[in-house]
This record gives sequence, C-alpha cells and structure tokens, in this order.
Amino acid sequence: GAVVSQHPSWVICKSGTSVKIECRSLDFQATTMFWYRQFPKQSLMLMATSNEGSKATYEQGVEKDKFLINHASLTLSTLTVTSAHPEDSSFYICSARGSSGANVLTFGAGSRLTVL
Amino acid sequence: KNEVEQSPQNLTAQEGEFITINCSYSVGISALHWLQQHPGGGIVSLFMLSSGKKKHGRLIATINIQEKHSSLHITASHPRDSAVYICAVGVGADGLTFGKGTHLIIQP
Repeated sequence: GAVVSQHPSWVICKSGTSVKIECRSLDFQATTMFWYRQFPKQSLMLMATSNEGSKATYEQGVEKDKFLINHASLTLSTLTVTSAHPEDSSFYICSARGSSGANVLTFGAGSRLTVL
Repeated sequence: KNEVEQSPQNLTAQEGEFITINCSYSVGISALHWLQQHPGGGIVSLFMLSSGKKKHGRLIATINIQEKHSSLHITASHPRDSAVYICAVGVGADGLTFGKGTHLIIQP
C-alpha cells in the first residue's frame, strides 16, 4: 500500500532557530500534500495545502512567512518552521494524495517539535 | 466550514466489549475518514467512507449521508485497541476537518 515517510519523528531546537520537516511519498506520486498541526489534547488542524510545483495555500491564521512549505517534486514536500518559538512546539503531520482518487489520503507518522 | 462532533470524548471498557464511537458533521461531504492515533502521535487510516458500510477485521464503519452521521464499531475489543479514534471529513479536493477524537481505553 501507499506509504508516506515523515522525518524527523521528533526534534528539539533552541528558540530562534529554523527546523525543516520532510514528507516523502515512497511508492506513489503525491500530487497534493497537506500539513496539519496538533497541539496537546486538541484536534488536528489543517495548516496548508500544497500542490506540486505551485505555491502552498495556507489556512486562515497560519503565517506563511513563518511556516515555509515547498513541494518541489511529486514525492517530497517540506515544512520549515522559521525562527521557532516555544509556542510553535506541536505535533506536525503530513498527508499525501496521489492521482488514484481525491479521497484517498495517506498519513505520515508525524513529527514532534519541541522548542526550548 | 464543517463542524465535526464526536462522542463520547472518553470511553473506558472491559476487554471483549462491543465499542461504538459516533461522529456527526454539519455540511455535506465527499468522504469521511476514521483514523487511529496512538500515544506517540502516529496516525493510521482505518477507513474511508462515502456511503454504506465497511468492515476490516474487528472494525466496522458505517455512514448515513442523509443524517450526516457515521459510527465506528469495534467488536471483541482488546487492550491493544486503546488509542484515540478520530473522525475526519473532506469535501472534494480540500483538506480534512477533524473531530476532537475519542480517547478509548480497553482494560484487561
């Protein structure tokens, strides 16, 4: 079946640094990738939608200059948290959709970010 | 914007019990997903439904499009089923809207 690899699974960084999270579709081409964020004891929230080769579409309230999304190829999307602060500490998850169907989504395992 | 409500929020049951988790949503959708999130955070997609009923092992998922309601059932529950179960809905090519999840604990 379809597999999405997300890396790193956890990362700790100092305040003010930037952190990059990768999301790769291993055995299919992901035409669309979604990035979600989950704060402790809260539901997952969609941050942005990225289509290969075009700019990401961000949800209301998500700062596009802070959360840089690049989807340069059909198998890789990256989320870079720039100048991270403790309030950015969260669980970030990607999901990918291939060309097989609009409703078929495969989730990455998630990345837990802790900003000190 | 779709509102997704799940019930119950928390559920503790004994091993072997039949479990039902409910999900209702406010706006018509193209698909509903049931997801399982383990303590480490990783998410597994259990079902994707657009109509009717699906079964996989001890898990059964149903959806009633007219009533905007879905249920996830677990038969012969086991401690390894303990997890957070999340309902998520999607419209067309848009990203998902998630429920807050149901925290399930199955005691031996």
